[in-house]
Amino acid sequence: DIQMTQSPSSLSASVGDRVTITCQASQDISNYLNWYQQKPGKAPKLLIYDASNLETGVPSRFSGSGSGTDFTFTISSLQPEDIATYYCQQYDNLPYSFGQGTKLEIK
Amino acid sequence: QVQLQESGPGLVKPSQTLSLTCTVSGGSISSGSYYWSWIRQPAGKGLEWIGRIYTSGSTNYNPSLKSRVTISVDTSKNQFSLKLSSVTAADTAVYYCAAERYSSSGDAFDIWGQGTMVTVSS
Repeated sequence: DIQMTQSPSSLSASVGDRVTITCQASQDISNYLNWYQQKPGKAPKLLIYDASNLETGVPSRFSGSGSGTDFTFTISSLQPEDIATYYCQQYDNLPYSFGQGTKLEIK
Repeated sequence: QVQLQESGPGLVKPSQTLSLTCTVSGGSISSGSYYWSWIRQPAGKGLEWIGRIYTSGSTNYNPSLKSRVTISVDTSKNQFSLKLSSVTAADTAVYYCAAERYSSSGDAFDIWGQGTMVTVSS
């Protein structure tokens, strides 16, 4: 199985800050990686697919990059509504697997 | 706009079988553009993919649960279902049904149910 490791596990930042989360796969997954946002008590929401493609309707301050084993998720200017936990997910191989999550808080 | 809704008992006794149903509305489960998946999340923890089914009935399961999981589809009711046998407290979680779109631009879970909490306890 492919293991997905996110860092950091938690992050505190100020409104307007640039925020970066990394995700590392235990083997090469090409660009078969998605990013999700999960707010408390809610289902995850797809933000980025195929490592760098912005899902329709998602604000352009969200972006993703990377390929192979190393990936980055960025919020260019943190907004109060971005407080959530973020997960990466690989779909290169079954079983699909998620990172452990990065909990983002406002400083 | 396709929507998903989970239903089923919120409390299951240890060693019994957990049974959940996901109802698809706003579109046909037979549309052919989606796999239909179950994903769970223990309280305060991350997401675990349980398995998926295609409308043909073809399934894939997470090996960690494969011996206990059955996913089925009822196209006449626009529903798919999860059965997890021999449950223990470790199976206590929020269970989500999700639609995985697949295309030349990649696969992703782009539609999710709201989730249903299942507690395993006597």
